Amino acid sequence: NAGVTQTPKFQVLKTGQSMTLQCAQDMNHEYMSWYRQDPGMGLRLIHYSVGAGITDQGEVPNGYNVSRSTTEDFPLRLLSAAPSQTSVYFCASSYSHSSGNTIYFGEGSWLTVV
Amino acid sequence: QQQVKQSPQSLIVQKGGISIINCAYENTAFDYFPWYQQFPGKGPALLIAIRPDVSEKKEGRFTISFNKSAKQFSLHIMDSQPGDSATYFCAALNTGGFKTIFGAGTRLFVKA
Repeated sequence: NAGVTQTPKFQVLKTGQSMTLQCAQDMNHEYMSWYRQDPGMGLRLIHYSVGAGITDQGEVPNGYNVSRSTTEDFPLRLLSAAPSQTSVYFCASSYSHSSGNTIYFGEGSWLTVV
Repeated sequence: QQQVKQSPQSLIVQKGGISIINCAYENTAFDYFPWYQQFPGKGPALLIAIRPDVSEKKEGRFTISFNKSAKQFSLHIMDSQPGDSATYFCAALNTGGFKTIFGAGTRLFVKA
């Protein structure tokens, strides 16, 4: 059971470069989301999707794009990396976003922007 | 604006002691309050959760106490063990809002 798979695990970028963090889930979950984790800030929602073809902004969407062409995949794109985007990124999924549903997280992607 | 405030930031407890982590929320539309546990290098995992129509929920050594009128809830870890050393996040969501909001996290260290 793979669950939520994120790649890459670690990445170093130069300011201004672009990259895509990949996320895939094999649980046929409709709801997927991306969070960033920073010390003292907890987990902050970047973008989320309630199904294929549907995405929306979370708390901190600036500088990031997402798309959801299939139920399984939800990539996060950094358009022009900035040092402020140095963080740990978590992809998550759940059957739906409602009371009682468990959110399953990937193991994280550590991103450093220099 | 932080919708879910969590305290303390860090906590050191002796083995066998009780660990208590508190959270407060503002949005009365929240209808589900989960707690997540995160070990170093791993993603958070659901530990226990409660709905606002219940004042307390217990699962093994973990108990959530919920005070709807005060808009506060807390996690109690009884007989704390070194293996409980982790970061704990409280969270809140409302079904129609599509956003789960997390607290800032509490780093718990249980001394052997």
